Amino acid sequence: QVQLVESGGDVVQPGRSLRLSCAASGFTFSNFGMVWVRQAPGKGLEWVALIWYDGSHKYSADSMKGRFTISRDNSKNTLYLQMNSLRAEDTAVYYCARKKGDIVVGPPANNDGFDIWGQGTMVTVSS
Amino acid sequence: SYVLTQPPSVSVAPGQTAKISCGGNHIGTKRVHWYQQKPGQAPVLVVYDDSDRPSGIPERFSGSNSGNPATLTITKVEAGDEADYYCQVWDNSSDLWVFGGGTKLTVL
Repeated sequence: QVQLVESGGDVVQPGRSLRLSCAASGFTFSNFGMVWVRQAPGKGLEWVALIWYDGSHKYSADSMKGRFTISRDNSKNTLYLQMNSLRAEDTAVYYCARKKGDIVVGPPANNDGFDIWGQGTMVTVSS
Repeated sequence: SYVLTQPPSVSVAPGQTAKISCGGNHIGTKRVHWYQQKPGQAPVLVVYDDSDRPSGIPERFSGSNSGNPATLTITKVEAGDEADYYCQVWDNSSDLWVFGGGTKLTVL
């Protein structure tokens, strides 16, 4: 079945780095844009970053630009989020999600919704 | 930066209709998506492109976006619909995704 499984969440000290992974299965990963979304404890959803199906275009939230980098390896059906210079306010559950819009059906559109979500991985930044 | 405004909470009795609003500047020109999130679970897409439903989402869930605000409507509300609901748009002027603050739906 269509599935996304995140991993890599951990407890880290402020200023340290962490890389999250998202393993995709059950669909043609290389045909879909992917995103990361986070949710701080007790708070709402916050979009983190978007990457096109082929990795050619990337976008990220202003508060994370320069610190977080989204990437993908289509040969491994895996999405990544490299997080550097972590701060306490980065503490959150991080979800990966698939952006609707199979490129086989039509050209990529940034404004497609997110139709498949992983279960999330917890990142805690604390000294 | 673009802002989406949702009411923090909406309460409705079982069997009644719930309406959750999502306000934003010129929101009628954007494609609005809605997510349902139950405690401890990942979000689920319930309406996309203003008014379309993914497969498996009951017809009781519908959306509209003919102006400000956009609205998610849930008819014949059930206890299982109790959740947080988020609206979302892509702001193409800044190339950013924006979520609303979320609305907690309580079934009385």
